[in-house]
Amino acid sequence: NAGVTQTPKFQVLKTGQSMTLQCAQDMNHEYMSWYRQDPGMGLRLIHYSVGAGITDQGEVPNGYNVSRSTTEDFPLRLLSAAPSQTSVYFCASSPGTALKQYFGPGTRLTVT
Amino acid sequence: AQKVTQAQTEISVVEKEDVTLDCVYETRDTTYYLFWYKQPPSGELVFLIRRNSFDEQNEISGRYSWNFQKSTSSFNFTITASQVVDSAVYFCALTPYGGATNKLIFGTGTLLAVQP
Repeated sequence: NAGVTQTPKFQVLKTGQSMTLQCAQDMNHEYMSWYRQDPGMGLRLIHYSVGAGITDQGEVPNGYNVSRSTTEDFPLRLLSAAPSQTSVYFCASSPGTALKQYFGPGTRLTVT
Repeated sequence: AQKVTQAQTEISVVEKEDVTLDCVYETRDTTYYLFWYKQPPSGELVFLIRRNSFDEQNEISGRYSWNFQKSTSSFNFTITASQVVDSAVYFCALTPYGGATNKLIFGTGTLLAVQP
């Protein structure tokens, strides 16, 4: 099992550009989430999904879109990148509510 | 409101010292889960423990131990005889049970530096 994979590992964007961060898991987990990690702020939930076709907003959803067309994939789209979105992004999956979450290796995004 | 507070931003110890990382949480839910994750310098998040709100027994795993006290809303983590490999950022997190959110509410983390 590869677990949770994320691509790319690093990305630099200019303000206003759009891009998609990819996340995939091969554990057949129903729950998937996106978090961002900023210095001194821990990790904060951006969006989450409880199954294919179902997504909802987390704590900091503005500027991001998600979709979940398959159980395996949960891409995060930045619509128009802003410097405030410079962060490390983690994708996570879990087999059920309140269970251990498995995290991907992270994507370090810089917006200039 | 639900919140996790890790008041210790950074801790520095010398190898073989014992160290306790504090975690205080706030929730109105009667059922919830608490977690600890480790983030070594390589950046990945490593799961350490999950504890539900009805189980107040302390847990020990090798050099690691956890003390859960509902009366003080604390879930502290102790490393005995610390080693350089324990140097990392440690996060405490809370998940309410019920509904379909499965969201983790993280503390801001404690950076532990273990000096040789």
